[in-house]
Amino acid sequence: DAKTTQPTSMDCAEGRAANLPCNHSTISGNEYVYWYRQIHSQGPQYIIHGLKNNETNEMASLIITEDRKSSTLILPHATLRDTAVYYCIVRVALTSGSRLTFGEGTQLTVNP
Amino acid sequence: GAGVSQSPRYKVAKRGQDVALRCDPISGHVSLFWYQQALGQGPEFLTYFQNEAQLDKSGLPSDRFFAERPEGSVSTLKIQRTQQEDSAVYLCASSLVKLGGPNEQFFGPGTRLTVL
Repeated sequence: DAKTTQPTSMDCAEGRAANLPCNHSTISGNEYVYWYRQIHSQGPQYIIHGLKNNETNEMASLIITEDRKSSTLILPHATLRDTAVYYCIVRVALTSGSRLTFGEGTQLTVNP
Repeated sequence: GAGVSQSPRYKVAKRGQDVALRCDPISGHVSLFWYQQALGQGPEFLTYFQNEAQLDKSGLPSDRFFAERPEGSVSTLKIQRTQQEDSAVYLCASSLVKLGGPNEQFFGPGTRLTVL
């Protein structure tokens, strides 16, 4: 799986949008971009994934650049409960046995 | 159950003891994964089951680590002769097998193992 690069930490004000970047310049054509987050003392939680088109669900939006070498996870209205470590993962998806290769992620702190 | 459950949530072992960590996946999930998470690090893959078959155990750090899933549901991760470097959170995840994906993994809360 391709390596990803994320900032170590970010801060965001409550109610504002949080934009978390990820670089994955060596991504292959059959690899998807996945985002998970891990709230303190909990297991990781799936957020969203995409291949090349922008995606949106009830939790977040995912913007992938046209060359697919980077992406941004957007939390449109961050709350205190969004404070967590966010992991960007590239993965040969849609196969059941595909492991998740986590990096160190971005610690997002949402401030009141 | 509503989600993946793991037990115990916390385990303290003396160096050299054997431990067994249990994972109850979401009912009907064919795939089951174990990960190890050291303090301040992201989770690292240990092993993968599809039903009762262990298809990938390349992440197990030594032959002291053994995992099983005999009936294709509950899984146990066993660590023999525990060492201090085994101290970590052990996470279990399960996933449906669905053509077209996303095949996201659902994680349990983890078992925090401390080896003294």
